Amino acid sequence: EPEVTQTPSHQVTQMGQEVILRCVPISNHLYFYWYRQILGQKVEFLVSFYNNEISEKSEIFDDQFSVERPDGSNFTLKIRSTKLEDSAMYFCATQMGSGNTIYFGEGSWLTVV
Amino acid sequence: SQQGEEDPQALSIQEGENATMNCSYKTSINNLQWYRQNSGRGLVHLILIRSNEREKHSGRLRVTLDTSKKSSSLLITASRAADTASYFCATDGLGGSEKLVFGKGTKLTVNP
Repeated sequence: EPEVTQTPSHQVTQMGQEVILRCVPISNHLYFYWYRQILGQKVEFLVSFYNNEISEKSEIFDDQFSVERPDGSNFTLKIRSTKLEDSAMYFCATQMGSGNTIYFGEGSWLTVV
Repeated sequence: SQQGEEDPQALSIQEGENATMNCSYKTSINNLQWYRQNSGRGLVHLILIRSNEREKHSGRLRVTLDTSKKSSSLLITASRAADTASYFCATDGLGGSEKLVFGKGTKLTVNP
């Protein structure tokens, strides 16, 4: 089974601090996603990224969030000024092509205190 | 809005029994995918079934899709304690949207 790798596995941060979550996609995959799961709730879509630009984003993905693929391999999610309600598990997911299986990473637990 | 919803919310069975989980959604889809999540862990992909498929098998897993009823089922046969996890269905829509919409999941407990 191919693997999506995420770091860190767990991060605790002070409210108002910036956080960067990192993802190494599966090689040759072209579509990249971030999802989040607040404890005990559904997995929610945040953003999709294809061809070096955002292709779709949800209402959750406001100006505090940004994504980039700085070196052509890693895919990052930045939260500029974290809020308590940003505490969640953040999942990176990747996909080879449209309509194919979407593979998820193990997630990054973010705790904002 | 397009939404996968699983039922039951929780299911407790004995090892060796079969487990059936259902999923309903509201709008037309391209694909429906089932995932498993162990507590606090990542989402493990189980099966993808396309809208033009009716049934798919993978080992002890059997997935059906009824697009007329907008529903899918996941059957795990001869369950094992290691199957204990939450199971989610996720749908992606027509019109070029690749995003997955997840249901709340079914929490399956397999007792040894």
